[in-house]
Parts: sequence; C-alpha cells; structure tokens
Amino acid sequence: SAVISQKPSRDICQRGTSLTIQCQVDSQVTMMFWYRQQPGQSLTLIATANQGSEATYESGFVIDKFPISRPNLTFSTLTVSNMSPEDSSIYLCSAKTGGTNSPLHFGNGTRLTVT
Amino acid sequence: RKEVEQDPGPFNVPEGATVAFNCTYSNSASQSFFWYRQDCRKEPKLLMSVYSSGNEDGRFTAQLNRASQYISLLIRDSKLSDSATYLCVVNYNFNKFYFGSGTKLNVKP
Repeated sequence: SAVISQKPSRDICQRGTSLTIQCQVDSQVTMMFWYRQQPGQSLTLIATANQGSEATYESGFVIDKFPISRPNLTFSTLTVSNMSPEDSSIYLCSAKTGGTNSPLHFGNGTRLTVT
Repeated sequence: RKEVEQDPGPFNVPEGATVAFNCTYSNSASQSFFWYRQDCRKEPKLLMSVYSSGNEDGRFTAQLNRASQYISLLIRDSKLSDSATYLCVVNYNFNKFYFGSGTKLNVKP
C-alpha cells in the first residue's frame, strides 16, 4: 500500500486565518480524497481531489471555504479558509491506490484547533 | 437513513473473549466492503477487506451477507491491544466510500 505523508500534524490557529495542509503520496494514485473527523464522530468526505481539474465537493462543503489543489498524481493540498472554532477537527488525506475494489489508505491526519 | 450503521458500543470484554460486531448498509449496489481500525487520536488503518465468501486473517474473521446487507467482524482470543474503534466501510461507484460511526472495543485484563 502507498505511504501517505501529511503535514502539519497539528496546528493551533486564530480565527479568521487560513491553514494549508499538504499531502504527499509515495506513488502515483488514481484517487485522492480529503475527509474531516470531528471529535467523537465518524469521517465525513469533504471532496475528491481531481488531478488537473477542480475538486468535486460534497454537499455542505464549498470551494471558497476549502480550496483544494492537486497538481499531479502524488500531491494535494487542502486549505481551510477564514477559520472559525467550528473548523476545529482532524483533517485526513486519503488515497485509493488500486482498482475498483481496492481500499482507501490514510495519511496521519492534521489536528486543527481554532481559537 | 444512514448509509452505514453500526452499534457504537462500547463493547467491554475480558482478554481471551470472542467478540462480534455487525454493520448494516443501505445501498444494495455496494461493491466492496472493509473493516478499519482506528486508535484514539490516530488515522484509520485498514484491518481487512470483506469478501462474499467470508475471509479470515489470524484471529479476525469477516463475513458479508449481501441478501441482508450486513457485514460482520469476529475477533477471537481478544488481546488488550485490540482495544480500538472499528469502522465499517462500504464502497460503491468506485470513489464513494461510506463510513460507519464506529464500534468501540475495550478489552480488559
């Protein structure tokens, strides 16, 4: 399986600022995704990061708040813009490395606290 | 109705016990199924895929019942290190993965 490196691993940010999270995969992957996991909750898909085109956002998430880049098949970034305390969460990068029935693999996550 | 439903637990069991978790899914077109393990403050890690014929990996056995749309995970001879949250994950349409809310397992000495 692919090794997925995510940074920063944690950050404490002031409201109104933005944070960009980086995700690097050690091999080319077909699909990359960004998830959020709020305390005590399961994972919620934010968007699918598409290589060379705009990300596909899930209901409740918009590009202005969560701009995503994916310049190539191994790298993606997620920016959390104009942060508020409600954005405090764990953000997880994931990748699907194989065919139709292959699983997701996750980066180590970014624990974000907004004060 | 949620796409994937799990009993949140917690399941509190003694070391050596056998414990089983179930998970139900709503979309009959689901194609692939997985169990993930998530330790506190860590990312989810793939425990095992679930195949139609059932599959085993050491002390762990996974079963899929497509007719009833449920998946199970059986852990035999529980270890303290098995304490974690177990996530049921269902995939359809290639890039749509749906996560259950997780079942928390506490294995006690």
